Amino acid sequence: DAKTTQPPSMDCAEGRAANLPCNHSTISGNEYVYWYRQIHSQGPQYIIHGLKNNETNEMASLIITEDRKSSTLILPHATLRDTAVYYCIVSSGANSKLTFGKGITLSVRP
Amino acid sequence: NAGVTQTPKFRVLKTGQSMTLLCAQDMNHEYMYWYRQDPGMGLRLIHYSVGEGTTAKGEVPDGYNVSRLKKQNFLLGLESAAPSQTSVYFCASARQTNTEAFFGQGTRLTVV
Repeated sequence: DAKTTQPPSMDCAEGRAANLPCNHSTISGNEYVYWYRQIHSQGPQYIIHGLKNNETNEMASLIITEDRKSSTLILPHATLRDTAVYYCIVSSGANSKLTFGKGITLSVRP
Repeated sequence: NAGVTQTPKFRVLKTGQSMTLLCAQDMNHEYMYWYRQDPGMGLRLIHYSVGEGTTAKGEVPDGYNVSRLKKQNFLLGLESAAPSQTSVYFCASARQTNTEAFFGQGTRLTVV
């Protein structure tokens, strides 16, 4: 599975959009981009995933560049409860194994 | 619908003792996984299963064994616990490939 690169941390103001970047320059054609988050020390929570097209659900939007070498997770209206570590993961889907890096710590400030 | 349930939530072991962590899911998922997470790190895959009766090694399998005798349960065993196995253990399940994985709340294990 391709590796991902994320900044270690970022912050945003409550109520504003949080745009979390991820680079995956070695992604191959059959690999999906997944985003999970981990709040405090709880189990990771699925957010969204996509292959080529942009995706949106009730939690977030996922924007994947045309060359698929990077993506952005958008939380449209960040709240204090969105403070967490966010993991960008690229997976071929083979056995649905997920390889977690260190993620990006998002801090939402009042 | 409880999702993924891990038992126990906390445990302290002495070096050399054995124990089994239980993961149960009620979603009829085919795939199940065991991860460990050390402080400040992402999760690392220990073992996984793609269906009842099957198991496979992940990234860090040494010192652990697993069994999937029933589809809904995935057991992780430590035969002789070592301090290096002090960690938080997470179980996860997924319906099929390229679908979301559901995680349990974790088991905090300390080996002294």
